Amino acid sequence: NAGVTQTPKFRILKIGQSMTLQCAQDMNHNYMYWYRQDPGMGLKLIYYSVGAGITDKGEVPNGYNVSRSTTEDFPLRLELAAPSQTSVYFCASSYPGSSYNEQFFGPGTRLTVL
Amino acid sequence: ELKVEQNPLFLSMQEGKNYTIYCNYSTTSDRLYWYRQDPGKSLESLFVLLSNGAVKQEGRLMASLDTKARLSTLHITAAVHDLSATYFCAVDNTGNQFYFGTGTSLTVIP
Repeated sequence: NAGVTQTPKFRILKIGQSMTLQCAQDMNHNYMYWYRQDPGMGLKLIYYSVGAGITDKGEVPNGYNVSRSTTEDFPLRLELAAPSQTSVYFCASSYPGSSYNEQFFGPGTRLTVL
Repeated sequence: ELKVEQNPLFLSMQEGKNYTIYCNYSTTSDRLYWYRQDPGKSLESLFVLLSNGAVKQEGRLMASLDTKARLSTLHITAAVHDLSATYFCAVDNTGNQFYFGTGTSLTVIP
């Protein structure tokens, strides 16, 4: 199993550009999540999904969009990138049917907006 | 909104010493998680605590949970340099959303 994979690893965007961060998991997990981590801080939830076709906002959704057309993939779209979106983005997945509902994290995407 | 607070935020300790990291959370939660993050890396799951009084140990790390006090501790015994990392606690609310503390940056000095 590859677990949770994310692409790209690094990206530099200009203000106003858009991009999609890719996330995929091969563990057949229902739940998937997108977080951002600013320097020296904990993780903030951007969006999450409890299954294909179902998404919901987390703490900090403004400036982002998501879709979940399959169980495996959960892309995060940035429209009109702003310097405030400079951060490290982590995707995670979990299986809520387990008593632990443990999250498994991808390696992260480091995004800089200039 | 569920809030999670950790202290201390920074911890510098000598090898061989013991210390405890504290994690307080503001509302009832089903589960408490501890993660480790090395610089520039992703998060690695350390412990999942499910119930009041739960205690889990792995090597020099031991985590406990007091749901009545809404408090979890991560105790480090006889620290070694390899334990240097940032440690996060997190709680989940209804199983859908996870809330993370701001992390404790641990440096173990030889």
